[in-house]
Amino acid sequence: QVQLVQSGAEVKKPGASVKISCKGSGDSFTSHYMHWVRQAPGQGPEWMGIINPGGETTSYAQKFQGRVTMTRDTSTGTVYMELSSLRSEDTAVYYCARDRSTVPGKGRYFDPWGQGTLVTVSS
Amino acid sequence: DIQMTQSPSSVSASVGDRVTITCRASQGISSWLAWYQQKPGKAPKLLIYAASSLQSGVPSRFSGGGSGTEFTLTISSLQPEDFATYYCQQANSFPYTFGQGTKLEIK
Repeated sequence: QVQLVQSGAEVKKPGASVKISCKGSGDSFTSHYMHWVRQAPGQGPEWMGIINPGGETTSYAQKFQGRVTMTRDTSTGTVYMELSSLRSEDTAVYYCARDRSTVPGKGRYFDPWGQGTLVTVSS
Repeated sequence: DIQMTQSPSSVSASVGDRVTITCRASQGISSWLAWYQQKPGKAPKLLIYAASSLQSGVPSRFSGGGSGTEFTLTISSLQPEDFATYYCQQANSFPYTFGQGTKLEIK
C-alpha cells in the first residue's frame, strides 16, 4: 500500500520561499501523476497543480502561476513543491496527493494523500 | 473556474440515520466528480469517484449519484466514525475545485 510522507512544518516570513517534499513508496507511486493541494484554516481544499510521472510536465492553477514550482526526482521517488513570495494568506496545510489514475485525461482523483505540512507565514 | 456548491453546510444526525448531501457544479461536468471525508487534523480520504464508484475499502453504506450539474452523497445508516466533514471535487477540468464542505455532526 502506497504511503506518502511529507517534510515537517515550516515558519516563514512574508516574501520568503518554502519548499516541501513528499516521498512515496512502491512502484505504484512512480507511474502516477501527483498533485499538490492546500487547505487554509477552516477552509475547503484548494488544488494547486499537477506533475506527470516523469516530472517533465506540470500544470498549475492560474492563481499560483509564477509563484509555484513542482518538481520530481524519479530516482528517489520524491516530489517537491516550492512556493515563493509568501504572504500571510499562504498560511495553510499543504498536501501532496497521488492521482488515482496512471493515464492522462479527465477524471483526476486524489488517493492517497500525504499527512500534510503546515506552513505558517508571519512576520 | 467551475464553482462547486454544497448543501447543507452542516447537518446534525443520529447513529443509524440516513443522510444525503448535495453538490452542484456551476457548469456541466458529466460524471467527473469525487467525494472525500475529512476528520479533524487528518488528510481527506477518497470515498467515491466518477460520481458513483466506491473506492476500494470504503463501506458500502456510502453511495454517490448524479451527473451533469447535480450530485449526491448518501450514507445509508450513519455509524459513529462517519461524523466528519465531506467535500465534493470536480475532476472535469483545470483547475480542479472543491466544494466548501458539509460538516456532519452528532445530534
